[in-house]
Amino acid sequence: DTEVTQTPKHLVMGMTNKKSLKCEQHMGHRAMYWYKQKAKKPPELMFVYSYEKLSINESVPSRFSPECPNSSLLNLHLHALQPEDSALYLCASSQDQAAGYTFGSGTRLTVV
Amino acid sequence: RKEVEQDPGPFNVPEGATVAFNCTYSNSASQSFFWYRQDCRKEPKLLMSVYSSGNEDGRFTAQLNRASQYISLLIRDSKLSDSATYLCVVTPHTGGFKTIFGAGTRLFVKA
Repeated sequence: DTEVTQTPKHLVMGMTNKKSLKCEQHMGHRAMYWYKQKAKKPPELMFVYSYEKLSINESVPSRFSPECPNSSLLNLHLHALQPEDSALYLCASSQDQAAGYTFGSGTRLTVV
Repeated sequence: RKEVEQDPGPFNVPEGATVAFNCTYSNSASQSFFWYRQDCRKEPKLLMSVYSSGNEDGRFTAQLNRASQYISLLIRDSKLSDSATYLCVVTPHTGGFKTIFGAGTRLFVKA
């Protein structure tokens, strides 16, 4: 299995809603990532988990809350988002820094 | 100066053309270098890792020049299907798995 699977593919949520994005990989990769991508921009790093521990938080607002239940799963909990948070949210995994990433197909989030 | 800078593009080339993209990086201690391809409304996909010795995969050749701190990607015999955004990605020496993406260069290959 050489894939990163993200669910849901599309999500529309209100500013008062709570929702979660899910990501799963079975490649034995030890690092997992959340990226946010706006149209015509490169992906922006949000969080990095290494060996299930949060190692990088790129000053992301607390309305985004990551969770790594085990080495294969990564969640992103969303609460009280703003319309400007609408974007493509990408999960990725890698074995190490030299290996490059495998990205999931992303969740396209719209906040209304 | 941005940490990773790419040719702004877009590049418009006919089928069969050779096209080259350049990318410069500011941190001389950077360790790993990659080119990714991203199709419209899709996720980025790893195209090639880039090594000091250079590497080739079919019509694609990537080169790294550490002295001048730049990376290049050459595409020969361009196909319509090569139309995409090409992202240069650099991993700094420190940062624990943090990588830095260039802004991307858009390529349009036309019949």
